[in-house]
Amino acid sequence: EVQLVESGGGLIQPGGSLRLSCAASGFAVSNNYMSWVRQAPEKGLEWVSVIYNTGTTFYADSVKGRVTISRDNSKNTVYLQMNSLRAEDTAVYYCARGLGFGDNSWGQGTLVTVSS
Amino acid sequence: EIVLTQSPGTLSLSPGERATLSCRASQSVTRSYLAWYQQKPGQAPRLLIYGASTRATGIPDRFSGRGSGTDFTLTISRLEPEDFAVYYCQQSSPSLMYTFGQGTKLEIK
Repeated sequence: EVQLVESGGGLIQPGGSLRLSCAASGFAVSNNYMSWVRQAPEKGLEWVSVIYNTGTTFYADSVKGRVTISRDNSKNTVYLQMNSLRAEDTAVYYCARGLGFGDNSWGQGTLVTVSS
Repeated sequence: EIVLTQSPGTLSLSPGERATLSCRASQSVTRSYLAWYQQKPGQAPRLLIYGASTRATGIPDRFSGRGSGTDFTLTISRLEPEDFAVYYCQQSSPSLMYTFGQGTKLEIK
């Protein structure tokens, strides 16, 4: 069974750093396009980043330079390192496999709150 | 960046009626890379349609997608009570930033 479990969210002060994890089971992250998508409270979905099976990465302009996506194939886990966090980064962060493709699946999300 | 604009923002209909949701792109999107999602409160999104017109596994045939270029449509032929939710279009063009539309809320009239 395909499963994605996010962790690492929490309350963080502005300017702080946080690393989110997405542990996958039922498939290999190394063979898939893995994305992070966020949703601010009462707002729509916002794509954050993707890592291709080749290792190529892309980022939304809103996080470029502050966020790094990576993966550990041995742990079958994808990460999102977030630095210089701002209030507007407050959101539920979802991990997704194959965004826009037939094998798409999502985790349950992890809440990041940036506040002093 | 490809901007996706969905309309209407809110659609008020009754069960049994037909719903038509629109997604317009700021530049051409290859059909293969256009998808539709449904999201209910407190839940992760669920893929409905990919490749502009292919239903995802387990999606009822009352959901259909069509379109090409810059104009795409999601149609729900006969609304069931469980269909009232927020719907998003999304493009995943290779080597470009992915984007979502702002969403259409389908509410019970």
